[in-house]
Amino acid sequence: QQQVKQSPQSLIVQKGGISIINCAYENTAFDYFPWYQQFPGKGPALLIAIRPDVSEKKEGRFTISFNKSAKQFSLHIMDSQPGDSATYFCAATGTASKLTFGTGTRLQVTL
Amino acid sequence: ETGVTQSPTHLIKTRGQQVTLRCSSQSGHNTVSWYQQALGQGPQFIFQYYREEENGRGNFPPRFSGLQFPNYSSELNVNALELDDSALYLCASSPGGAGGREKLFFGSGTQLSVL
Repeated sequence: QQQVKQSPQSLIVQKGGISIINCAYENTAFDYFPWYQQFPGKGPALLIAIRPDVSEKKEGRFTISFNKSAKQFSLHIMDSQPGDSATYFCAATGTASKLTFGTGTRLQVTL
Repeated sequence: ETGVTQSPTHLIKTRGQQVTLRCSSQSGHNTVSWYQQALGQGPQFIFQYYREEENGRGNFPPRFSGLQFPNYSSELNVNALELDDSALYLCASSPGGAGGREKLFFGSGTQLSVL
């Protein structure tokens, strides 16, 4: 049972553009929503995370928007750079350390 | 770097064999989780160990087992390997407790190929 759905599967954005990745969840017990960035040959690394008591969180060029009623959240990467090219995973959890991941979005930022 | 190291980085086994994957967590992290990441997919939770005891398990059969040791190292054992077990196996450590899920550090993984 896939509890976190992620789209798009892949994304190509020009340098300086905005990258947007969307996720939807089903389990209302989830109360922590992190985004992970993964480069080839590496494990996922925490990028930014949000709790459902806020609708938006911003850290540098990265912003999470959260819609609790719709059970959806999204990652916005402003001023996308070639170094942002990676695979991005949304995740959700309601218990310590057990993450349910989305299927991933492969982002390519072109010059 | 995350301070989480996994060995070996790559491994080739044949169907029916057994395999042991190893992980060294950050010092002080008493919780370790293992994830399986199939090609093109997100990581799937296998199980978690807290202070050397299993503390949660995902939808994986009993032939997937683990151990956690007092020195912050851990093992993932898989018996009777199947072709579908081919994947990247990730170890993640955290300090545990209420803040554990917010401080999850992944290793670079072991790429297992079953032929």
